[in-house]
Amino acid sequence: QVHLLESGGGVVQPGGSLRVSCSASGFSFSMYGMHWVRQAPGKGLEWVASVRYDGSEMYAESVKGRFTVSRDNSKSTLFLDMTSLSLEDTALYYCAKEQWRTAQSFDYWGPGTLVTVFS
Amino acid sequence: QSVLTQPPSASGTPGQRVTISCSGSSSNIGSNTVNWYQQLPGTAPRLLIYSNVQRPSGVPDRFSGSKSGTSASLAISGLQSEDEADFYCAVYDDSLKGWVFGGGTKLTVL
Repeated sequence: QVHLLESGGGVVQPGGSLRVSCSASGFSFSMYGMHWVRQAPGKGLEWVASVRYDGSEMYAESVKGRFTVSRDNSKSTLFLDMTSLSLEDTALYYCAKEQWRTAQSFDYWGPGTLVTVFS
Repeated sequence: QSVLTQPPSASGTPGQRVTISCSGSSSNIGSNTVNWYQQLPGTAPRLLIYSNVQRPSGVPDRFSGSKSGTSASLAISGLQSEDEADFYCAVYDDSLKGWVFGGGTKLTVL
């Protein structure tokens, strides 16, 4: 069955950088778009970034120019490289799989990895 | 302030029917399909409704979705205590070129 597991979260100072990863299994990773969605403590869900099956990238305005999404299909792994982190980036970061190619729905989610920006 | 507007809270007693609304605009709900996610306390979101009205396998038919114009709704009939959760609508926005989520509705079963 489909399994997603994020890793790499931690505590980082404002202005710092961090890479989080999402290891996928149970499906043909290279054939699906993948997404990052975050949730600040006690707040709602916010879409962060996506990478399509063809490698094309999309970003929320709040992270454009600071975050980079990428994928390694040979390792079925999704990445999110975060730079110039601010307190507002503190959140639980989820990776999610698109339901079918070019679908607008996310059918599987990982448990999330917590990123804390703290001075 | 979310692009999609949901009521912050909703409630009902066991067995009742409750609805949660999601209001958007022509660039999102008006031109794309709406999806709903359920987030139980301390867990990751779960896809509840996709393509406005479809239920993934395993989702009880007590949950139903609808869409009209630039608004959508989630209905839960035969309310159960285990339905207590946060519910989010989500849709792709053509103007923002990305996905937007509603602010979420916390459902309480009294």
